[in-house]
Parts: sequence; structure tokens; C-alpha cells
Amino acid sequence: DSGVTQTPKHLITATGQRVTLRCSPRSGDLSVYWYQQSLDQGLQFLIQYYNGEERAKGNILERFSAQQFPDLHSELNLSSLELGDSALYFCASSVGSSGHNEQFFGPGTRLTVL
Amino acid sequence: SQQGEEDPQALSIQEGENATMNCSYKTSINNLQWYRQNSGRGLVHLILIRSNEREKHSGRLRVTLDTSKKSSSLLITASRAADTASYFCATTLFGNEKLTFGTGTRLTIIP
Repeated sequence: DSGVTQTPKHLITATGQRVTLRCSPRSGDLSVYWYQQSLDQGLQFLIQYYNGEERAKGNILERFSAQQFPDLHSELNLSSLELGDSALYFCASSVGSSGHNEQFFGPGTRLTVL
Repeated sequence: SQQGEEDPQALSIQEGENATMNCSYKTSINNLQWYRQNSGRGLVHLILIRSNEREKHSGRLRVTLDTSKKSSSLLITASRAADTASYFCATTLFGNEKLTFGTGTRLTIIP
């Protein structure tokens, strides 16, 4: 158990809908990272927040957004969902702001868009 | 796009044998990390090797890094059934802390 929690574990929704994925980092970790894992794209970094502020951006679509709240939990919002958004979404956390450090991953949310 | 490419894509060995996986990358790195992923679950950090290091050990794991060849290898000695998983290398670059994952090696240990 990494100490990172993600909810929900599974999400099934229809095209065009909007969903919110939630992540709670390990106690004491200030950075939260979001990743998408799909069969065709592999593991892709989406975005990083550090202590409430956006720190780094990866291959995140404009239809996706994220935020980190004062209690350090984070939410990833996916809107206007398409079939291709079906994937595993992972959250990870680390103690510092540097992405060079070890990251602790949550169990993931499996999103299925029908 | 992927920074790292693992080789082989899949590997099956008998329990007790050693498993070696390789990772090649394209540009100079700050550090390279190896992660394990059990089927459909979260990733677990195994080991981190910095660009100025050549070899690191952690239990049954041995990682080497050859920056001249832009490659790394992960050796698991005396494999166990519980080592069955996918293994990913991931890199960060100087001036870019984004962790970029390779394509992964799927390791199966046959009891």
C-alpha cells in the first residue's frame, strides 16, 4: 500500500459526459501527479501540482483539467468524453516539488467510456 | 512519445532463473528509475539511478546505467513467482522534471 488513495476504482460513462477523479496523496507529500495509461499510448504524464499550484504540464488535453486543494487532495476533471479517453488514470505523489524524485502511485481509476 | 524503449517486450523464465530487461532512451537524462506494475494495478518504485552512477543494487535487483550507450538494464536474480509483473523504466531530463515512461517489459515467472 503506497499511501496514495484514488476514487472511484471504476467508472463507466457515456461519450460526451464529464467525470471527476479524486486523489489523496501520501501524508506529508506536497506534489501530486496525474498519469494516463492506455494500450496505444502507454503511460503518459498529464500534469503536476505542488502545494496547490500547477508545476508541470504534459500531454493533457484541453478537455481535461485538474486542481489541488488546500488539504492537498487533487481532482482530475475529464469533460466531453470520447471513446479514446478510456484508460487507467493514476495519481502519484512525492514529498518535494522535483519530478526527479521517487513517486508513489495510487491504485488507479479505470475509466470506460461507452 | 516514449523516451524509453524496453527490450524485450515480453519475457518468460523459470522460477529461480535470473531475468534481465533493458531500457534504451533517446536524450541525455538526469536520472533513470525502474517501476513494477502488477496487472492493472498501481506502479511501485523499485530503484533510482542518477546519471553519474553506473550501478546500483537493492536486494535481488541490480541496475546498470551506460550513458554513452543511452541504456540501462535491470537484473532480477533468483526470480520468484511474485516477480511476475510489467517493468517500466522512466527518465527525467536536466531542466525537465517530467517523468517519461518506456513501453515496459512483461515478465512472467513460471513456477
